[in-house]
Amino acid sequence: NAGVTQTPKFQVLKTGQSMTLQCAQDMNHNSMYWYRQDPGMGLRLIYYSASEGTTDKGEVPNGYNVSRLNKREFSLRLESAAPSQTSVYFCASSEDSWEGGETQYFGPGTRLLVL
Amino acid sequence: AQKVTQAQTEISVVEKEDVTLDCVYETRDTTYYLFWYKQPPSGELVFLIRRNSFDEQNEISGRYSWNFQKSTSSFNFTITASQVVDSAVYFCALSEAQVYSGGGADGLTFGKGTHLIIQP
Repeated sequence: NAGVTQTPKFQVLKTGQSMTLQCAQDMNHNSMYWYRQDPGMGLRLIYYSASEGTTDKGEVPNGYNVSRLNKREFSLRLESAAPSQTSVYFCASSEDSWEGGETQYFGPGTRLLVL
Repeated sequence: AQKVTQAQTEISVVEKEDVTLDCVYETRDTTYYLFWYKQPPSGELVFLIRRNSFDEQNEISGRYSWNFQKSTSSFNFTITASQVVDSAVYFCALSEAQVYSGGGADGLTFGKGTHLIIQP
């Protein structure tokens, strides 16, 4: 039982390049999330997916797109990377409940450097 | 809008001292959930506790304890007899309840974290 896995662990991009961050979970969770962590800023929500086939914007969605490929996988795409997107990206998943507020379990993170 | 404030950016104590990490939150909802996560130097986020807004009982788990006070909108975390392995960044987070509508998800609002340093 691997929990939440993310690939790659580390990536260097040049400004304007594109890339996709992959996330998968094996806990049969309905909900999945993407956050970014910047120094001194805590974690901020980029996008989330309540269930397969649905996605919604979070606090900082500009410059990103997401795809909920199936129940297990939720990818984050940078179409044209900018230095401001240098950050550590975390994927998370949680069970779904009628009232929300379920515990989110996080992957190990992807460290992205945009030059 | 919801907000979480962790006013202590960094705390440094000597091993075996007790230490309290403060968390103050803002929300307009009457039903909400509070969390604490630990981020050790290795970088992963480790879940510590979840508490709903209707349960104001204090919680103790080994050397860890949590004090939830709705009257002051605080959810403070105390480590008793601290150890070097407790050195980490600790995040407090808030989630507001969502009415189920065929699929509920709710992102967490995080505080900026408190960097706890335990010196041997």
